[in-house]
Amino acid sequence: EIVMTQSPATLSVSPGERATLSCRASQSVSSDLAWYQQKPGQAPRLVIYDASTRATGFPARFSGSGSGTEFTLTISSLQSEDFAVYYCQQYNNWPPWTFGQGTKVEIK
Amino acid sequence: QGQLVESGGGVVQPGRSLRVSCAASGFSFSSYGLHWVRQAPGKGLEWVAVIWYDGSKKYYADSVKGRFTISRENFKNTVYLEMSSLRADDTAVYYCARDWQVGKFDIWGQGTMVTVSS
Repeated sequence: EIVMTQSPATLSVSPGERATLSCRASQSVSSDLAWYQQKPGQAPRLVIYDASTRATGFPARFSGSGSGTEFTLTISSLQSEDFAVYYCQQYNNWPPWTFGQGTKVEIK
Repeated sequence: QGQLVESGGGVVQPGRSLRVSCAASGFSFSSYGLHWVRQAPGKGLEWVAVIWYDGSKKYYADSVKGRFTISRENFKNTVYLEMSSLRADDTAVYYCARDWQVGKFDIWGQGTMVTVSS
C-alpha cells in the first residue's frame, strides 16, 4: 500500500498571500496524483488531477506540480473561499486508493 | 454534470448490519465505476470499496474486507454498500464518488452518516 504524507498539518495564511501545500508518496506514483478541497460539512471536490491539471470550476490561482514521490499544491493568492482542508490522493497503484491525512488552510 | 445522493445511514448497534444506497442522476450511470469513501468524525478520507461499471470487478479496503459488500443495479442507477458485523470504528460519513479514468473521484455525493453505538 502506498502511504501519502502531507505537510504541514495546518497552514495559517493571510488573504491574498500564497499557500504552498506538500504531499509525499512512499513510492513513485508517476503523475497519478489528485488534490481535493473539503469545506466544513461538505463533500470533497476534485481540484487538481494528473498532478497538474485543474478540474472544472477552479480558477488559475490553483496550480499543482511534481511527479514521482513529491507533489505541491499552490494557491497563489488566497481568497476567503479557499480556506478549507486539502487532501492529496494517489491512483497509480491500487487497490487501495490512498489519501494523505489532509492540510488545513486557515486564516491567519 | 451529474449528481449522487446517498441514503440509508443511521444509528446501528455493534455487530448488526446496515445497507446504504447511492442514487445517481444526470450521467450515464452504467458507464462508470463507483466508489465508497468514508470519513470518521474529525478525521481524513478513507477509501472503502469500488465496483466496476458493469459490476465485473469489486475491490475492498482491508479494514472492511469480508464484512462489507458493494453492489449495483444499473437499471435503477443505484449503488449499494451492505455493511455487516459493524464496529464502533466504522462510524463515519459514507460518501459515494464517481470513478473517472480509474481512480479520480470527480463527482461526490453529500454523504450519509453511519453511527455504530450501543
